[in-house]
Amino acid sequence: AQKITQTQPGMFVQEKEAVTLDCTYDTSDQSYGLFWYKQPSSGEMIFLIYQGSYDEQNATEGRYSLNFQKARKSANLVISASQLGDSAMYFCAMREGAGAQKLVFGQGTRLTINP
Amino acid sequence: NAGVTQTPKFQVLKTGQSMTLQCAQDMNHEYMSWYRQDPGMGLRLIHYSVGAGITDQGEVPNGYNVSRSTTEDFPLRLLSAAPSQTSVYFCASSRLATSYEQYFGPGTRLTVT
Repeated sequence: AQKITQTQPGMFVQEKEAVTLDCTYDTSDQSYGLFWYKQPSSGEMIFLIYQGSYDEQNATEGRYSLNFQKARKSANLVISASQLGDSAMYFCAMREGAGAQKLVFGQGTRLTINP
Repeated sequence: NAGVTQTPKFQVLKTGQSMTLQCAQDMNHEYMSWYRQDPGMGLRLIHYSVGAGITDQGEVPNGYNVSRSTTEDFPLRLLSAAPSQTSVYFCASSRLATSYEQYFGPGTRLTVT
């Protein structure tokens, strides 16, 4: 069974609009962590934001926020005021349990920001 | 502080050849791992290590060997390359704690013909 599902292969958004990238996950662990990474066309993986399963507040990092709905097992990334430089692949990933940082990645969403 | 470095950046191999992808980090991270990324896919874990002398298999370990003789280095060996191993390989490291992000190297693009 797929542990991380990103249902939007591609999204197109106008510059300065907000955008939500969907991520649902599947785990039976009580302790887990959810990550979002950005991969621009240059290929590197850039960490954006982290949410722990016991965190009561939604994580925020600048223009990025994570809409964490535990009961729905969703961890959507919200980018406010999108910029042309936000055009990239975005990956949701999950770490199950404590200890080793084994990440399971979704298939990604390609975000294109139009001027 | 160079972070996570990988060499080479690009490599072309013939089927059956062997090679080692190098990975080093200078952040004194306990945890290191190797992922592969196939076209249009997310990353998949090959092998990982929680410290010197300790390694374990990830989701797709077949055809790859690893060792961790020092905290800094975590090489990935392809013993007999196959076209199915054509991929981009990322090395990553992190603190061995639950909330720390993994720092990724720039990747090695490997083509096996």
